[in-house]
Amino acid sequence: AQTVTQSQPEMSVQEAETVTLSCTYDTSESDYYLFWYKQPPSRQMILVIRQEAYKQQNATENRFSVNFQKAAKSFSLKISDSQLGDAAMYFCAYRSVGTALIFGKGTTLSVSS
Amino acid sequence: DAGVIQSPRHEVTEMGQEVTLRCKPISGHNSLFWYRQTMMRGLELLIYFNNNVPIDDSGMPEDRFSAKMPNASFSTLKIQPSEPRDSAVYFCASSLVQAGGNQPQHFGDGTRLSIL
Repeated sequence: AQTVTQSQPEMSVQEAETVTLSCTYDTSESDYYLFWYKQPPSRQMILVIRQEAYKQQNATENRFSVNFQKAAKSFSLKISDSQLGDAAMYFCAYRSVGTALIFGKGTTLSVSS
Repeated sequence: DAGVIQSPRHEVTEMGQEVTLRCKPISGHNSLFWYRQTMMRGLELLIYFNNNVPIDDSGMPEDRFSAKMPNASFSTLKIQPSEPRDSAVYFCASSLVQAGGNQPQHFGDGTRLSIL
């Protein structure tokens, strides 16, 4: 069975600094998708970024980028120029074709001014 | 475009009562997912539908839980009878699954359920 592991329950960063959230996964599939979702205190689940496993190029969305290492089954999220509004719980998620999401336990990110 | 709409946003009820959670997926999406979020277990899949047909219900905890999708624009998750351990946030999500790739899932705002 596929699993997703986030080894950092909590992380903190100062405004304007860069922070990296870690995620590893386990799968025997070759075709799958990886995601980072943000959940602020309002409890909305907001898609931050996604990566298709067949793409070697790392996905980027403005200040958010990933480091996708397929052989190592690693999928970290880098947030550059951190802002107060980035404070939230971040979930790494995995999905193979036509299936539901499997989530990690989440990392709570706090941002200080 | 309207996102995934869930109702109610909050539900507080007494143990033993029937609870019905509702979800309207994004128009045009053909897959619908119900997830539950608790402190202990995190986010976990309960059931998902593709073209209104249940595909995977292995996450449904027990017979007290049931889910239906009578048409492409509506789904319900019912708990009968409810128990305090059912207290959680329940999310509905939808996506478009098609040949050549899956679109990401879009989540509703969730229903916070409290069973007293």
